[in-house]
Amino acid sequence: QSALTQPASISGSPGQSITISCTGSNSDLGSYNFVSWYQQHPDKAPKLIICDVATRPSGISNRFSGSKSGNTASLTISGLQPEDEADYYCSSYSTDGSYVFGSGTAVAVL
Amino acid sequence: QVQLQESGPGLVKPSETLSLTCSVSGLSVSEVYFWGWLRQPPGRGLEWLGNIYPSGRSAYNPSLKSRVTFSLDTSKNQFSLKLTSVTAAETAFYYCARGVSAATFDYWGQGMLVTVSS
Repeated sequence: QSALTQPASISGSPGQSITISCTGSNSDLGSYNFVSWYQQHPDKAPKLIICDVATRPSGISNRFSGSKSGNTASLTISGLQPEDEADYYCSSYSTDGSYVFGSGTAVAVL
Repeated sequence: QVQLQESGPGLVKPSETLSLTCSVSGLSVSEVYFWGWLRQPPGRGLEWLGNIYPSGRSAYNPSLKSRVTFSLDTSKNQFSLKLTSVTAAETAFYYCARGVSAATFDYWGQGMLVTVSS
């Protein structure tokens, strides 16, 4: 069982915005700003798209944005595009020194 | 160009030891960042196994701590994973990656499927 809870799936039409939530606890999301998001296409390795809650690594589209409030982090994808169809995972540092991941959210572009 | 590549046996018997190596090119394993191992059972989510730092110090997922060991070979620019007493539930894609801060991995290997089966 994953430590962080994400919706199993979210869908949207091209051009729309969607937001993926990631809910944890005071032991992880509630205590640290070490929150990352990864995008994973089928049969590919995960790709870092957001780190430190809201920072986009070089080369990542500004259509991806991150935020956090309390024990919940969020990833927003604006102007949804067909290539955004993928699985998305959140991750956080935890008080026991480990890194925990979310259960993953499958994004479908209708 | 930074590349990471996992290698090792793709089939391991239950109760035996899983051993994988990650070969790094374009970066030195002895530089300031750190190196991680993660895994993903087919069709399921990601799990962090631990990190190894340029000093050779390791940090392990508490759930695996007694069975997992990492090592660093700076002469070959590689780092390795050993996981003892594996079970079928540990069949997964195993990834190596570069860590830049807590829970942040920016370069990943392509992943290697390791099947635990007799």
